[in-house]
Amino acid sequence: QPVLTQSSSASASLGSSVKLTCTLSSGHSSYIIAWHQQQPGKAPRYLMKVENSGSYNKGSGVPDRFSGSSSGADRYLTISNLQSEDEADYYCETWDSRVFGGGTKLTVL
Amino acid sequence: QVQLVQSGAEVKKPGASVKVSCKASGFTFTTYGISWVRQAPGQGLEWMGWISVYNGNTDYAQKFQGRVTMTTDTSTSTAYMELRSLRSDDTAVYYCARKTTSTIDYWGQGTLVTVSS
Repeated sequence: QPVLTQSSSASASLGSSVKLTCTLSSGHSSYIIAWHQQQPGKAPRYLMKVENSGSYNKGSGVPDRFSGSSSGADRYLTISNLQSEDEADYYCETWDSRVFGGGTKLTVL
Repeated sequence: QVQLVQSGAEVKKPGASVKVSCKASGFTFTTYGISWVRQAPGQGLEWMGWISVYNGNTDYAQKFQGRVTMTTDTSTSTAYMELRSLRSDDTAVYYCARKTTSTIDYWGQGTLVTVSS
């Protein structure tokens, strides 16, 4: 089964951009993944799914500041013009929701 | 709009069972799956299993095999997750989520289940 690897933490300044990475394990580089945001004390929220081709499909109401991309086994979530409300945990998910990454805690400085 | 509304918080004693409900609205219930994911305090997301609303087929994480049952009631567009033989380490927030053919795309608000003697 696939394994998803994420950095445990990231930080960036207000108004800047940050690129979060989710890496698929060997042999699973073609898998579609989804990105989910979890703000403190709230339920997760679906942001987008990212395909091997790099195309991405955002959820309803997700700001234009959020985008996705892909390179090999890596799937990316880029957040531009960081806002204070973007401070959250970000999880990637794959294989029909069976597998989650460990999450990246994003701090907005 | 798509909504998944879960039942309220529960407090259970070790060895008891809990049944969490998840009422769906705003979409055709039978054309999706429902996944159940839990999150222990301060921890990440853990997949428990999912159910095809269309045909009732289930797929449970090995960790929960024999202890969990997922069902749906299409007449009320409600999904249920029952977890038996509760232990203290089952204390967590339990989420239902709508599953497409590939990923989750909507989440419920979560149900806190506390297991304590």
